[in-house]
Amino acid sequence: DAGVIQSPRHEVTEMGQEVTLRCKPISGHNSLFWYRQTMMRGLELLIYFNNNVPIDDSGMPEDRFSAKMPNASFSTLKIQPSEPRDSAVYFCASSQTGSSNQPQHFGDGTRLSIL
Amino acid sequence: TQLLEQSPQFLSIQEGENLTVYCNSSSVFSSLQWYRQEPGEGPVLLVTVVTGGEVKKLKRLTFQFGDARKDSSLHITAAQPGDTGLYLCAGAAGSNYQLIWGAGTKLIIKP
Repeated sequence: DAGVIQSPRHEVTEMGQEVTLRCKPISGHNSLFWYRQTMMRGLELLIYFNNNVPIDDSGMPEDRFSAKMPNASFSTLKIQPSEPRDSAVYFCASSQTGSSNQPQHFGDGTRLSIL
Repeated sequence: TQLLEQSPQFLSIQEGENLTVYCNSSSVFSSLQWYRQEPGEGPVLLVTVVTGGEVKKLKRLTFQFGDARKDSSLHITAAQPGDTGLYLCAGAAGSNYQLIWGAGTKLIIKP
């Protein structure tokens, strides 16, 4: 079975540019999570979708960040305009029902560097 | 604010040694998950513990959930270089979807 697929794997861009990260969750999973991982702050939940609907976006740091899930097989996380402090590894994860007692399946992440 | 504290933050030992990683909180969790993350990859679930006092074994890895469901430990016997990675614990509490993540223990096993 295909796991969670993220693209691109690496992104290097200059500050001020728009960045779009993409995620394809596991087929049949109705919950999708976007995380950011840094050395200083560890794994932080940015936004949680259930059945394509954003349920909790309280972790989105600023209005520069936005996320969409137009259908069950695709989600995007956009940063516009990007800043150097946005540099991190961004992970997408999916789970069958979203219950916190269920495992989350992670993609391999997008390593984002903003110069 | 619910917190999960992991210790140690970093551990480097020789192949064949034993080690224990701890995950502690003042909060009660309905379940606790352990993940391992290798460089360039996302975390991968190792085990979920649900019942207070529960012990689960995965080959040389032994996971225990505290009786009060506030803490957990991961013990590795005869560590191998393949055990190298970042070990993360994550507790389920409060909301029905959010996990509280520990900061992780970076483990290096030297051949």
